[in-house]
Amino acid sequence: QVQLVESGGGVVQPGRSLRLSCAASGFSFSRYAMHWVRQAPGKGLEWVAVTSYDGENKYYADSVKGRFTISRDNSKNTLDLQMNSLRAEDTAVYYCARSTQRRYDLLTAGAFDIWGQGTVVTVSS
Amino acid sequence: SYELTQSPSVSVSPGQTASITCSGDKLGNNHASWYQQKPGQSPVLVIYLDDKRPSGIPERFSGSSSGNTATLTISGTQAMDEADYYCQAWDSTTVVFGGGTKLTVL
Repeated sequence: QVQLVESGGGVVQPGRSLRLSCAASGFSFSRYAMHWVRQAPGKGLEWVAVTSYDGENKYYADSVKGRFTISRDNSKNTLDLQMNSLRAEDTAVYYCARSTQRRYDLLTAGAFDIWGQGTVVTVSS
Repeated sequence: SYELTQSPSVSVSPGQTASITCSGDKLGNNHASWYQQKPGQSPVLVIYLDDKRPSGIPERFSGSSSGNTATLTISGTQAMDEADYYCQAWDSTTVVFGGGTKLTVL
């Protein structure tokens, strides 16, 4: 079945780095744009970043721009999020999500139709 | 920065109709989507492109948009519909979520 499984979360000190991964299965991963969305404890959803189906176009939330990098490997059906210079306010559950936008659709549109179960990132000394 | 505004909470009796609104000054030019999130679970898409329902979402969920306000309507609300609901839209090259509405089925 269609599935997204995140991994790589954990406890990290402020200023350090962490890399999250999302393994996709059950659909043609290379045809879809993909997103990362996070949710701080007890808070609402916050969008983090998007990558186009081929990885050529990427956009980021202002809160993570310059610190986080989204990437994908279509040969392995994986989506990654490299997080550098982590701050306490980056503490959250991180979800990968599939976009409704496919290869020839406008990247900056659409919704998130498939979500992973999330991976927890805690930034604390 | 662009914001989508939702009421923090809405209460409804079982079997009645619940309406959850989302307002933003660019919604007139951008489609809204809606997500349901139950405690400890990942969000689920319930409405996209203002009023489209994904397969598997019950017909009691519907969406509409007029001017700068999008509305999620749940007809014949059931106890299982108690959850947080988030609206979402695009603002140029970034995604914005509303703050969420907690729906309580009394």
